[in-house]
Amino acid sequence: GDSVTQMEGPVTLSEEAFLTINCTYTATGYPSLFWYVQYPGEGLQLLLKATKADDKGSNKGFEATYRKETTSFHLEKGSVQVSDSAVYFCALSDPDSSASKIIFGSGTRLSIRP
Amino acid sequence: NAGVTQTPKFQVLKTGQSMTLQCAQDMNHEYMSWYRQDPGMGLRLIHYSVGAGITDQGEVPNGYNVSRSTTEDFPLRLLSAAPSQTSVYFCASRISGGAFPDTQYFGPGTRLTVL
Repeated sequence: GDSVTQMEGPVTLSEEAFLTINCTYTATGYPSLFWYVQYPGEGLQLLLKATKADDKGSNKGFEATYRKETTSFHLEKGSVQVSDSAVYFCALSDPDSSASKIIFGSGTRLSIRP
Repeated sequence: NAGVTQTPKFQVLKTGQSMTLQCAQDMNHEYMSWYRQDPGMGLRLIHYSVGAGITDQGEVPNGYNVSRSTTEDFPLRLLSAAPSQTSVYFCASRISGGAFPDTQYFGPGTRLTVL
């Protein structure tokens, strides 16, 4: 079945460092790909999405490119801030499935030091 | 809009007790779902509904029941709580179709502890 694998955390960086969180997927169809963010004590919020190969999703300085050839959707940010500390989830949705369920990765906790 | 609301925020149960987690959304979304979040396992789908009167099982449905009598409400029932059901529960909703069919909106979560 469809699945998402993302790098294990926790990831700890200093402020203004470059961030990469790896995400790869397995899907039988042509999924849409997402990054969700969960701030402490809150529910998940959509950070960015991409719906087809070579699409780039971007939001709040974060970017991710849908790479069909490597089945990847890595999250990047050029200069992280303390306020980016959160748990990040990679996810996919296969629009061809009967209910378009969203499948989540296990999450990566990011901590940014001042 | 209040978005997706969940009650209670925290709950402690004893093994064998039953309870209902409430979820409501005011966005007229057709699709609603329940997830549980456990450390190191991400979110796992428990049950979902594609519209009023229609529900289906997700990845981990055992021990949980749902119903969808209205578009707005999607309660999750624990029939006989077990310690393995200690988790954080999230309700989510989204439009089934339209320009952005896959953007899910999540509630703030219910932290459940079963002793």
